Amino acid sequence: NAGVTQTPKFQVLKTGQSMTLQCAQDMNHNSMYWYRQDPGMGLRLIYYSASEGTTDKGEVPNGYNVSRLNKREFSLRLESAAPSQTSVYFCASSSSLHTPGDTQYFGPGTRLTVL
Amino acid sequence: QKEVEQNSGPLSVPEGAIASLNCTYSDRVSQSFFWYRQYSGKSPELIMSIYSNGDKEDGRFTAQLNKASQYVSLLIRDSQPSDSATYLCAVKLPGANNLFFGTGTRLTVIP
Repeated sequence: NAGVTQTPKFQVLKTGQSMTLQCAQDMNHNSMYWYRQDPGMGLRLIYYSASEGTTDKGEVPNGYNVSRLNKREFSLRLESAAPSQTSVYFCASSSSLHTPGDTQYFGPGTRLTVL
Repeated sequence: QKEVEQNSGPLSVPEGAIASLNCTYSDRVSQSFFWYRQYSGKSPELIMSIYSNGDKEDGRFTAQLNKASQYVSLLIRDSQPSDSATYLCAVKLPGANNLFFGTGTRLTVIP
């Protein structure tokens, strides 16, 4: 079991470029999430997918789009990168966000720098 | 007011001592509480979850929840240098679709 995997691990973009961060999980989880982590700000939810076929905005969705490709995969797209999007991005998955004790498991992260 | 508050630290304890990490939350109806450990440059990993008032023990770790005081803590007994990390507190509200994370407390265990 690989758990939650993310690609790439590191990325440097120029302002205005686009890219897609990939995430996959092999735990048969229904729910998946994208977070960003910035110094002093903690983890903030960008988008989430409660189940296959659904996606919803989180706390900081501006400048991002997501696709829940199938039950395993959840991608995050930056259409026109900005320096403010320099951050560490974590994908997470859980059995079902509607369950009170639902536990989220995190991928290794993508370190993104936008110049 | 932030949903989840933690002292950012750093908290330093000698090896073998008890480390006490604290977290307060603002929403009285918060339902589930989680402690994650995050090593520098790595992803958060779950240590413990707790849902009911009282203590929950797992090895060297004890989580304590006091819903009346809106307070959850994590005790690490016999602290080891390998426990040096940032500890994140997370809270889930009923019907919420995500966890609310604190900014974390950085713990250093001194050999």
